Amino acid sequence: KNQVEQSPQSLIILEGKNCTLQCNYTVSPFSNLRWYKQDTGRGPVSLTIMTFSENTKSNGRYTATLDADTKQSSLHITASQLSDSASYICVVSAQGSYIPTFGRGTSLIVHP
Amino acid sequence: DTAVSQTPKYLVTQMGNDKSIKCEQNLGHDTMYWYKQDSKKFLKIMFSYNNKELIINETVPNRFSPKSPDKAHLNLHINSLELGDSAVYFCASSPPSDEQFFGPGTRLTVL
Repeated sequence: KNQVEQSPQSLIILEGKNCTLQCNYTVSPFSNLRWYKQDTGRGPVSLTIMTFSENTKSNGRYTATLDADTKQSSLHITASQLSDSASYICVVSAQGSYIPTFGRGTSLIVHP
Repeated sequence: DTAVSQTPKYLVTQMGNDKSIKCEQNLGHDTMYWYKQDSKKFLKIMFSYNNKELIINETVPNRFSPKSPDKAHLNLHINSLELGDSAVYFCASSPPSDEQFFGPGTRLTVL
């Protein structure tokens, strides 16, 4: 069964600090992995996408990594800002499937 | 221009009523989805339509009936609403196996 597990479930950090969110998956055959950011009261928005051959992708202060061998991904946020407070969702797609597998998300709170 | 729009944004209704949520996308995507996000923030797929045809129905009660009049629209009708239906419902669209673009969500509260 395809599954995506994220950790931690929630995280509180001070503004300006860095943090790393984790995603482990068992989706097969693997197609791509996306990290979404969901602000409170809004729909998720894609931050990064990585395919099998990519192991790092950056989007501003967000850097995602992918280890396809161990089936793990991480999202690193550098110099956090108050606006980074949101839920971060790891989503993995299988080849030939219309339906991606969603993780339960990590809730990040950035305090001033 | 809004890529994926939903109406209404908020819906408060009594148990037993029937309600509909509308979704429209102007991205030209072939595939549209309905998701339910519960109080624990977990996004769960309900339906997926490709070119107006239902391709996925993830063990959703028969009280939920999606309708796609054309590729740009996917509406969700819910009969005999129950307390457990209270959630945020998101519509999304995507090209095949690519990024999903989500609407702003409809918060449904059943009293």
